Amino acid sequence: QVQLVESGGGAVQPGSSLRLACAASGFTFRSYGMHWVRQAPGKGLEWVAVIWFDGRNKFYADSVKGRFTISRGDSKNTLHLEMNSLRVEDTAVYYCARAGGRDAGVADIWGQGTLVTVSS
Amino acid sequence: DIQMTQSPSSLSASVGDRVTIACRASQSISTDLNWYQHKRGKAPKLLIYAASNLESGVPSRFSGSGSGTDFTLTISSLQPEDFATYYCQRSLTPPYTFGQGTKVEIK
Repeated sequence: QVQLVESGGGAVQPGSSLRLACAASGFTFRSYGMHWVRQAPGKGLEWVAVIWFDGRNKFYADSVKGRFTISRGDSKNTLHLEMNSLRVEDTAVYYCARAGGRDAGVADIWGQGTLVTVSS
Repeated sequence: DIQMTQSPSSLSASVGDRVTIACRASQSISTDLNWYQHKRGKAPKLLIYAASNLESGVPSRFSGSGSGTDFTLTISSLQPEDFATYYCQRSLTPPYTFGQGTKVEIK
């Protein structure tokens, strides 16, 4: 079945780096764009980044631009989020989601999320 | 950037009630609007895409309408499994901004 599984979350100090991964299965990964979306404790969903199916285009929320990098490894059906210069306000559950083929903004399949805690 | 504003932020309703959630965009987004359901500890779920199209497998009691700046998600007869938080999201062009969410609670 179609599945996304995130990993790589954990507790880190402000200023640290962390790399999240999202393993995809059950669909042709290279044919779809992919998103990262996060939810801070007690807050709503916040879109973080998207990468086009071919990896040529990447877009970021202003809150992470210049600090986070989205990438994909099509040979391993894996999506990544490299997070640098982490801040306390980056504390959140991070979800990866598949971008619907009809409109890259539609997130039609989601993972269960991985928790990132940034604290001193 | 386009801002998305939902109302109300929360509501209390009973099983069987008709529930309506509003979403307003700060400028016209045609029908580039999606709706999601999110339950605590679970993955968010796509309900409606392109303002009014029901995602496959989603019950027909969910419907969406609107275009331009004003959109609505309607649950025709609230079921116990529908108690959750609902989000609208601007689509098609990044940034894909979410509304702040509407929590639907049991009355």
